[in-house]
Amino acid sequence: QVQLQESGPGLVKPSETLSLTCTVSGGSMNDYYWTWIRQTPEKGLEWIGYIYHSGYTMYNPSVKSRVTISIDTSKSQFSLGLTSVTTADTAVYYCVRYAVDVVTGFDFWGRGTQVTVSS
Amino acid sequence: EFVLTQSPATLSLSPGERAILSCRASQSIDRYLAWFQQKPGQPPRLLIYDASSRASDVPARFSASGSGTDFTLTITSLEPEDFAVYYCQQRRFLFTFGPGTRVEIK
Repeated sequence: QVQLQESGPGLVKPSETLSLTCTVSGGSMNDYYWTWIRQTPEKGLEWIGYIYHSGYTMYNPSVKSRVTISIDTSKSQFSLGLTSVTTADTAVYYCVRYAVDVVTGFDFWGRGTQVTVSS
Repeated sequence: EFVLTQSPATLSLSPGERAILSCRASQSIDRYLAWFQQKPGQPPRLLIYDASSRASDVPARFSASGSGTDFTLTITSLEPEDFAVYYCQQRRFLFTFGPGTRVEIK
């Protein structure tokens, strides 16, 4: 069974960079899109972006100028960087696998990690 | 701007009753729609993909239909564990989620 686990600081100061890592276990990273999704009570679920195992990326236009997603398949990890954060970036951040084979969709999710932006 | 809307916002039903949830897209998304279930403190769980295909281990009481702009998720007979929030999500124009429908115990 594939498992994903987010890790990183739970508190980030305004204007600084939010950095999270997702560790994948129980399966290969090949042939999947590795995704970050965040959730807030105000805006709901928001797709941030994804990275393919080859390194190809796609980002949500709403955060594209501030976001970088990278991958290290040798460590079975992918990471999120979000610069110049504000309180609007306070959210639960999920790392998620996006499959495009027999099942097409966000099929495995991490448990999520709360990130609060505050001074 | 592409928008997904869900109705109703809240559905109050008793165990054993049928739940019918609606999702509407502001533009046609063919059949590129998924449904998720989320319980408090848990991540969303994929129930349905491509409008009507059940994901692994999803009980047969969950069914879905639709294409274009109008989609429906039906739970034929609510079990206690089905009371949760349900989201639709489209993948025709990048990825967006609907605001959710809360199914609560009446």
